[in-house]
Amino acid sequence: AQSVTQLDSHVSVSEGTPVLLRCNYSSSYSPSLFWYVQHPNKGLQLLLKYTSAATLVKGINGFEAEFKKSETSFHLTKPSAHMSDAAEYFCVVSGRQGTNAGKSTFGDGTTLTVKP
Amino acid sequence: KAGVTQTPRYLIKTRGQQVTLSCSPISGHRSVSWYQQTPGQGLQFLFEYFSETQRNKGNFPGRFSGRQFSNSRSEMNVSTLELGDSALYLCASSLFQGNLVFGPGTRLTVL
Repeated sequence: AQSVTQLDSHVSVSEGTPVLLRCNYSSSYSPSLFWYVQHPNKGLQLLLKYTSAATLVKGINGFEAEFKKSETSFHLTKPSAHMSDAAEYFCVVSGRQGTNAGKSTFGDGTTLTVKP
Repeated sequence: KAGVTQTPRYLIKTRGQQVTLSCSPISGHRSVSWYQQTPGQGLQFLFEYFSETQRNKGNFPGRFSGRQFSNSRSEMNVSTLELGDSALYLCASSLFQGNLVFGPGTRLTVL
């Protein structure tokens, strides 16, 4: 079985301050992990992915995430928020083998608000 | 390179009817998965197809079914529609495991 928990349903930051969106996962096997972003009335876009190479993963728009196996976490960070970062963010675990092969499980999402 | 296309983009049906949604993946992608997105339940996995075979399935009733053709295009069917089936249905194609490229979605409204 696999699951994802996004620890905050809403995060609000001021423009120019750091962003931290938290994600914990559970998986029977070594999973692939992803962050997707969905802007209002837009489709889902891949931000970054972890697939068992480097544990610190860099994505688009200055975002990065660190895979910590001991903590089963994959938190998303950005040093300085921009107004255009306001969106909903989804953490995703994807099975690579066993009964979860081909199955992607999404977290409930975190809505990021950026204040001017 | 064309993205993932979904047709139709919007659909209005009444309870009890059935509906078929279509998804054309990115050329070369053999995996297609379907998701239902609602404000209350978030994004939920419906099923995933790879080379015409359903590899995995979410926790949806048997009214939800799908298939994949030899050209990797996929269809999703919902029979005996209920009000609660109103949602945005997203299709995603993938070349590598989990690296999903999403289509724009089909907005289904059940009256």
